[in-house]
Amino acid sequence: DAMVIQNPRYQVTQFGKPVTLSCSQTLNHNVMYWYQQKSSQAPKLLFHYYDKDFNNEADTPDNFQSRRPNTSFCFLDIRSPGLGDAAMYLCATSRDEYNEQFFGPGTRLTVL
Amino acid sequence: GQNIDQPTEMTATEGAIVQINCTYQTSGFNGLFWYQQHAGEAPTFLSYNVLDGLEEKGRFSSFLSRSKGYSYLLLKELQMKDSASYLCAVLDSNYQLIWGAGTKLIIKP
Repeated sequence: DAMVIQNPRYQVTQFGKPVTLSCSQTLNHNVMYWYQQKSSQAPKLLFHYYDKDFNNEADTPDNFQSRRPNTSFCFLDIRSPGLGDAAMYLCATSRDEYNEQFFGPGTRLTVL
Repeated sequence: GQNIDQPTEMTATEGAIVQINCTYQTSGFNGLFWYQQHAGEAPTFLSYNVLDGLEEKGRFSSFLSRSKGYSYLLLKELQMKDSASYLCAVLDSNYQLIWGAGTKLIIKP
């Protein structure tokens, strides 16, 4: 089945210790997104890629970086996680920017 | 600024009908999406409206009025598994998806 996969599903890290979250897709979609979602809040877009073109949201902290080495994979790097970065991180894909987005199961990040 | 408003929480009875409203003010409009999100899980796509009117898909229907900046999601024959958050999101003129905070729907037996 075509899908969006995120690993790991649960990630625990220590304050200030770098962490990388991964996302892969078998949908062959052009666009990949990274969202941060905290409890009872709307998903907050961090970045998106249209193919290899990177788009950073203006209010995304520098602490967050992203890489898309090929069509299928996208990574979210958090260089120095703070307690406020504890959240669910959602990866999504869409065929183009005006199509519906398909979400992975998310990675729940805990910062100790 | 851009804004999506929807009720924070609603309660309904199993077997009944519920309507979840969404109003929006955005820079341009390229369509409105409804997503369902169960607790601790990722959102899943329910519907897309870009023209005025009602789109029906099984027990779920979605309505759009662009002149009023208004949409609703109608859920019929409610089941316990429909307990979830329902998120309204609008695609603006830059093809950026503006999300509402979601409406938590509680279904009671």
